[in-house]
Amino acid sequence: GQQLNQSPQSMFIQEGEDVSMNCTSSSIFNTWLWYKQDPGEGPVLLIALYKAGELTSNGRLTAQFGITRKDSFLNISASIPSDVGIYFCAGPTPGDDKIIFGKGTRLHILP
Amino acid sequence: GAVVSQHPSWVICKSGTSVKIECRSLDFQATTMFWYRQFPKQSLMLMATSNEGSKATYEQGVEKDKFLINHASLTLSTLTVTSAHPEDSSFYICSASFTSRGDTQYFGPGTRLTVL
Repeated sequence: GQQLNQSPQSMFIQEGEDVSMNCTSSSIFNTWLWYKQDPGEGPVLLIALYKAGELTSNGRLTAQFGITRKDSFLNISASIPSDVGIYFCAGPTPGDDKIIFGKGTRLHILP
Repeated sequence: GAVVSQHPSWVICKSGTSVKIECRSLDFQATTMFWYRQFPKQSLMLMATSNEGSKATYEQGVEKDKFLINHASLTLSTLTVTSAHPEDSSFYICSASFTSRGDTQYFGPGTRLTVL
């Protein structure tokens, strides 16, 4: 079946650093979604991308819909402690009402 | 807007008992609700999709007789884990959508189930 591969699996950074993570698929997606999940909570939608090449920002977060429609990137600028969590990419399977999730990128900020 | 709640937020039960988890869309009518399960350090895995007034559609490998889903209204869906066993211990998350498209899902805060 379709899979979303996220990279890196985890990141350890210093506060204030910029962060970059990506998500790839072997098949085309028409929508890319980026979620953040805090421990013990449900995912919260950060950014939704609907068009190839689209670049969308939400505060310090910026996400891009890859031209090939098989990848997407999420960048976080000037990280702060509350950015800690798991970031999931997700996308609806074409012709379906379900979405599939990547395995997540775990962001840790070193003291 | 688009708030989804779950109750309870956590539950501990003995093996063999049944547990019901509620998922409510508080400020919108949900055409479709989804139930996910998440094991520690794993991603969300879709268990089933339910539309109000109709039977849920279960993903491959999910036992429909064990995980009973009822979607009685446009704002409430329930998941009942019947005869729970320790291997059913997990984080159960619901989401609700006001369209038939999966990309407009809003997630609840999750329910932590621990079966002793």
